[in-house]
This record gives sequence, structure tokens and C-alpha cells, in this order.
Amino acid sequence: DQQVKQNSPSLSVQEGRISILNCDYTNSMFDYFLWYKKYPAEGPTFLISISSIKDKNEDGRFTVFLNKSAKHLSLHIVPSQPGDSAVYFCAASDTMNYGGSQGNLIFGKGTKLSVKP
Amino acid sequence: NAGVTQTPKFQVLKTGQSMTLQCAQDMNHNSMYWYRQDPGMGLRLIYYSASEGTTDKGEVPNGYNVSRSTTEDFPLRLLSAAPSQTSVYFCASSERLTVYGYTFGSGTRLTVV
Repeated sequence: DQQVKQNSPSLSVQEGRISILNCDYTNSMFDYFLWYKKYPAEGPTFLISISSIKDKNEDGRFTVFLNKSAKHLSLHIVPSQPGDSAVYFCAASDTMNYGGSQGNLIFGKGTKLSVKP
Repeated sequence: NAGVTQTPKFQVLKTGQSMTLQCAQDMNHNSMYWYRQDPGMGLRLIYYSASEGTTDKGEVPNGYNVSRSTTEDFPLRLLSAAPSQTSVYFCASSERLTVYGYTFGSGTRLTVV
């Protein structure tokens, strides 16, 4: 059973507009969430994260929103740039159990973002 | 540049062959991880090592083996390659066993025919 779901395999956005990438999770024990960005032929790189005690975290053009009651988080990129074109992975962890069988970082399937000039 | 180095970048194996994917980091990180990425499946944890001398199974360990005899190296061994092991393999490291601050290598694309 998939615990972290990214239901949109792809998203296309015009340069300068907002990109919104969505992620849903099922495990109510998850208390830390991260977004990773991956370019072709490269490894994922950390983008932004949020703890479950917050509902928003901002870093420049990137903002992550967390709705715990809906078990939903989203990544907003404003304004979108062509260099943002990549695959974005949502990941989650139950940090109280991290390192045990239940606590490792769980990744979604990814969403491929294309930002068109 | 400091980071995580994976070799080889590409490999083709025949079914039943064995091989070792190499991973080395020069950041003096305690913890290291092996993930595989399959189309439509995201990243799945194969094995991890909290520190030198320790290893633990992740979500999909069958058909693989690891060891952690040094802080820097975390090789992943395919014991008898199967087509189901065709994937892109990523090694990562972090300062300690934590969700924060993973540094990933650039990956090894493995094809088993």
C-alpha cells in the first residue's frame, strides 16, 4: 500500500506562472515531510522540508503547505522558471521511529514538472 | 567536489551474473543508504547503514547484499542478477541516521538481460 502518493505524473506550466505540486499521505504517524528535485542523469537534491508542527514553510520561490487533517501537502513555485523543469519527489517520515522498520524515509512516485518559456 | 560517488554509471548484466555497485562518500557521513528507482515506483530503500559496521534491511532487500567496513564505502552486491533488478540505483549519505540532509550520488543505471 502506497503511503505517499503523488497522483499527477506530470505538470506543464508557463514561465512566470505558479506551479503547484501535490502530495497525499496515509500514515498519520508521519511527522516530517520533504521535497526533492531531480534532473535527468543526476541524483535527487533536497529542496525544502516541513515539520508537522508547522503548516507552512517558505524558502525563496518555494513554499510548502501542510494540511494535516487532510493528510495533504503541496509545493508552490512562484514564479516558475524553465530551470525548475525536473522531477519532484515528495517524501515523508515517522521520525520517532526513524531507523526502525517503520521509520525510514518514504518517497512518492514523483511528478515531472515542465516549465515552458 | 565533495559528495557521493557511484560507479559504474551504466552496466548491462546477463541473468544470473553477480556484480557490485560501488558507492563512496568523502563527507565523513556516518549513515549511508541504497535506493532503487523504477518507472512509476518512486525511490525505494534497499539497505541502509547507520554507521560503520552496521547494516539494516529496507523495503526491498531481496537479491541484494551490503557491507560497511569503512565509513567511506557502502557497496551493494547483486548476488544473482534478475531482469526484475533492472533499475536506476542511487546511493545516499547523511551525517547521522536522520531524515535531514541526504546527499545523493548521480546513480547507476543497471540493465539485466
